[in-house]
Amino acid sequence: GESVGLHLPTLSVQEGDNSIINCAYSNSASDYFIWYKQESGKGPQFIIDIRSNMDKRQGQRVTVLLNKTVKHLSLQIAATQPGDSAVYFCAEMGWDTGNQFYFGTGTSLTVIP
Amino acid sequence: ETGVTQTPRHLVMGMTNKKSLKCEQHLGHNAMYWYKQSAKKPLELMFVYSLEERVENNSVPSRFSPECPNSSHLFLHLHTLQPEDSALYLCASSPTGGDTQYFGPGTRLTVL
Repeated sequence: GESVGLHLPTLSVQEGDNSIINCAYSNSASDYFIWYKQESGKGPQFIIDIRSNMDKRQGQRVTVLLNKTVKHLSLQIAATQPGDSAVYFCAEMGWDTGNQFYFGTGTSLTVIP
Repeated sequence: ETGVTQTPRHLVMGMTNKKSLKCEQHLGHNAMYWYKQSAKKPLELMFVYSLEERVENNSVPSRFSPECPNSSHLFLHLHTLQPEDSALYLCASSPTGGDTQYFGPGTRLTVL
């Protein structure tokens, strides 16, 4: 079965610092990845995605890095703000998963003012 | 707002009740999904509809019954649920199957 996990269940950072959240996956056929943010009492919110033909993709204050060799995905948040406090989880889909995403359990990010 | 709405936001029901969850998407998408989110567990895909046809049913108990009357609406009918069914039920939609999925706020279900 699919295995999508995160290295740390919780992460605390000082406001203004950069945050890095990691995700490991096991399926070599995975070719599409998404990072979601879920705030308390809300549904998951799309942050950024990346396909396997890319190593890096940047958005507004966020960067996703993909290392296919070691099957590792990371989300970098620049100048972390209190509003970034949430659970972040990755999702991956492979050409062999029938268009089904597999989700990680999430990392809870707490921003300390 | 993601363009996906869910009602009710909270639901408490007994094991003998029958209730329905509703999802509506205003994005013009052709695929809709039901997920179950339990504490400290990954999202579990329950059902997938594409162009109003059910294309996925991940061994979900028959006490959960989905309905997709059109591409904008999705229902999850509940009957004789168990306490372990208490969870956050999330609806999502995507342009087609395999595209980025956009989630609603969820229905927090408690089964007594």
